[in-house]
Amino acid sequence: GAGVSQSPSNKVTEKGKDVELRCDPISGHTALYWYRQSLGQGLEFLIYFQGNSAPDKSGLPSDRFSAERTGGSVSTLTIQRTQQEDSAVYLCASSPQHAEGETQYFGPGTRLLVL
Amino acid sequence: GNSVTQMEGPVTLSEEAFLTINCTYTATGYPSLFWYVQYPGEGLQLLLKATKADDKGSNKGFEATYRKETTSFHLEKGSVQVSDSAVYFCALSERDSGNTPLVFGKGTRLSVIA
Repeated sequence: GAGVSQSPSNKVTEKGKDVELRCDPISGHTALYWYRQSLGQGLEFLIYFQGNSAPDKSGLPSDRFSAERTGGSVSTLTIQRTQQEDSAVYLCASSPQHAEGETQYFGPGTRLLVL
Repeated sequence: GNSVTQMEGPVTLSEEAFLTINCTYTATGYPSLFWYVQYPGEGLQLLLKATKADDKGSNKGFEATYRKETTSFHLEKGSVQVSDSAVYFCALSERDSGNTPLVFGKGTRLSVIA
């Protein structure tokens, strides 16, 4: 079946603009994660959704970052007033259930460049 | 907090050489352990995993054994191929807390030359 998809694949924006990144998880997967992959920081967790529960936002680096998940499926990560340090690859992953050890399936990522 | 430390690369090997990428972890509970791989131009994909002590994960000729006594999960392959050139990430997720986000090591870039 289809894997996790993300759009856009690449995004170039100017400092101070808002951006929205989209993730379509694998159908039926209840858990959805956002990570950021940057040269200096490696792979960092940002936010996690599980079903209809309140999301775990503990990894968000600032209040400029927010995310929502509509209908328990598609998720949007929004970065407001982008800064150059936000430049990174943003990865989305999903997994089929709320269980430790469950494999997370990653999308191809959105490469964000803030000029 | 939880953390993963893996050997820094890059690692360059000749084809058919033996590979070891070291990974150690710190966790408050009993985590599950993973190796993910990122091939050039592709997304992260699971290579193998182990969910409890002494388990061995294996896939595509790669192996890693969950060693609780040494808090390690070293990745090994007996004979690497050019197609194994990629970045390898060791990761953990915490048991007993439900499904938790992955904590990753910084990645080890492997280049295999013919």
